[in-house]
Amino acid sequence: ETGVTQTPRHLVMGMTNKKSLKCEQHLGHNAMYWYKQSAKKPLELMFVYNFKEQTENNSVPSRFSPECPNSSHLFLHLHTLQPEDSALYLCASGTGVMGNEQFFGPGTRLTVL
Amino acid sequence: RKEVEQDPGPFNVPEGATVAFNCTYSNSASQSFFWYRQDCRKEPKLLMSVYSSGNEDGRFTAQLNRASQYISLLIRDSKLSDSATYLCVVNKPSGTYKYIFGTGTRLKVLA
Repeated sequence: ETGVTQTPRHLVMGMTNKKSLKCEQHLGHNAMYWYKQSAKKPLELMFVYNFKEQTENNSVPSRFSPECPNSSHLFLHLHTLQPEDSALYLCASGTGVMGNEQFFGPGTRLTVL
Repeated sequence: RKEVEQDPGPFNVPEGATVAFNCTYSNSASQSFFWYRQDCRKEPKLLMSVYSSGNEDGRFTAQLNRASQYISLLIRDSKLSDSATYLCVVNKPSGTYKYIFGTGTRLKVLA
């Protein structure tokens, strides 16, 4: 498989559930990103990892917990979410070098009931 | 002022028309600029990077105006398949290299 993959593609969960989103990149990139896209809002950067180290946490609530075990994999662990957390969660990877673009996965569409 | 600002549209244009989008950014220290395209319920995909000298890729031309802090995208001879949301992306100069996305401009090309 090539590019950036994300699983699951769709997720429905209750507010008391715990679930995880997975992202994998096959591009040899060193930087990985989590974004949230809500309706009629711009993409919001959540977390940045560079060489497995978290370099950015954009004031994200602690009910979202990222994990980056290696440069190819990124997880987003979810617990006690709120209905307003329903959104499209996009993973991206990049070289981390200025001027180079990011490549996005297809996203996980999350609905919190 | 928003970090990256775009007119949300929609821009409704007939096939074959020329359409232009602008995007303004607030941080004069920004150095990397991109246009991404996002189809409905899909992920954003890179359309083109924007260079200081301007660049062209087929029917698409991107320009950067540093003095006025805006970038533009021109689409000539619009096709139905160009219907999408176009996202302006600017890097945020900071300790960590990251991107700021505009809300996007929606384009509908009509038959």
